[in-house]
Amino acid sequence: AQKITQTQPGMFVQEKEAVTLDCTYDTSDQSYGLFWYKQPSSGEMIFLIYQGSYDEQNATEGRYSLNFQKARKSANLVISASQLGDSAMYFCAMSANAGGTSYGKLTFGQGTILTVHP
Amino acid sequence: DTGVSQNPRHKITKRGQNVTFRCDPISEHNRLYWYRQTLGQGPEFLTYFQNEAQLEKSRLLSDRFSAERPKGSFSTLEIQRTEQGDSAMYLCASSLDSGGVYNEQFFGPGTRLTVL
Repeated sequence: AQKITQTQPGMFVQEKEAVTLDCTYDTSDQSYGLFWYKQPSSGEMIFLIYQGSYDEQNATEGRYSLNFQKARKSANLVISASQLGDSAMYFCAMSANAGGTSYGKLTFGQGTILTVHP
Repeated sequence: DTGVSQNPRHKITKRGQNVTFRCDPISEHNRLYWYRQTLGQGPEFLTYFQNEAQLEKSRLLSDRFSAERPKGSFSTLEIQRTEQGDSAMYLCASSLDSGGVYNEQFFGPGTRLTVL
């Protein structure tokens, strides 16, 4: 079984500063994918960034980067130059090939609420 | 590409009634997923389809829950004899199966169910 742990219920950051949202995961699979989603107060889930377990370089997408440390089983999201519009709930999620079946469901963490102050 | 759509957006029902939700995925996506999200929690997987075949169901999906995806297009999620504990946001997502670990799922806006 897969498990995602996000230990920060809430984080605060000043506008234009960088912030790191923590995510640790647990799986017995060698091949897996890690995702970050953003959920604003309006409720829609917005895909931000993806990291594959065999990717040698950390993923980056604009202001988002993923600090992937495989040995520590962590996949922290770094948001640079925070903007007021970044205030939202952020979820870390995993897709893994459990038991040899296809990569289907995403397993989500409990989320971190990020508040960006002006 | 109009994205994933869900109807209705909100549903209020009385305990014991049956409810049905609909999800229309992105047209070329062959996979469709249902998740449930309660307040302050991350989404929990319920079930998913590849084309019309239901490939996996969570233990969360009790006998009162049933999902279908006729013809591999839209999907419906029915909850029979609703209970107050069923109150949640029901999220639908779709993806294009690449056969590998990359599985970016596109989510709909959700259906918020309130059981009185």
